[in-house]
Amino acid sequence: NAGVTQTPKFQVLKTGQSMTLQCAQDMNHEYMSWYRQDPGMGLRLIHYSVGAGITDQGEVPNGYNVSRSTTEDFPLRLLSAAPSQTSVYFCASSYSIGQADNEKLFFGSGTQLSVL
Amino acid sequence: AQKITQTQPGMFVQEKEAVTLDCTYDTSDPSYGLFWYKQPSSGEMIFLIYQGSYDQQNATEGRYSLNFQKARKSANLVISASQLGDSAMYFCAMREPYNFNKFYFGSGTKLNVKP
Repeated sequence: NAGVTQTPKFQVLKTGQSMTLQCAQDMNHEYMSWYRQDPGMGLRLIHYSVGAGITDQGEVPNGYNVSRSTTEDFPLRLLSAAPSQTSVYFCASSYSIGQADNEKLFFGSGTQLSVL
Repeated sequence: AQKITQTQPGMFVQEKEAVTLDCTYDTSDPSYGLFWYKQPSSGEMIFLIYQGSYDQQNATEGRYSLNFQKARKSANLVISASQLGDSAMYFCAMREPYNFNKFYFGSGTKLNVKP
């Protein structure tokens, strides 16, 4: 059982480049989300989705784009990378309310992104 | 406004002693969930314990327990008999079901266990 698979693990970009972080889960979770982790700031929600075709913004959505065409996949796109987007990115998924005992988040292994 | 506050950026504890990591939260929803995650130096996020807002008893999972004080809006993590492997970052988080199932995380507490 793979859980949440996130790729790549490391990425270096130049300012202005675009890229897509991939995220896939095989647990049939309705809820998926992207976080960025910066020192001293914990995890901040970028975008989330409560089901295929439904996405919404989190705390820090600027500069990022998402789509959810299937239940399994939730890619995060950086449109024009900036040094301020240097961070560790986590994809996560969970059951919806009522589907499990506690609907905890299952995390991917993270992507360390550096923008030069 | 911050939803989750962790006021201890770093803490030290002696091996085999107990330690309490503080967490306060802010919500107007009567139904919510509180979580603690551990992040070792390897970077993965490990789920530790969950407390539902309607749960009458404090949650426990092995050496982890959650001291849930609803009126004070606090959800402190207690680790008993600390081990060297407990050295890590610890994050408190809250899920608000009414708010489209959003999760909010605190800034974390770095725990160092001394031998």
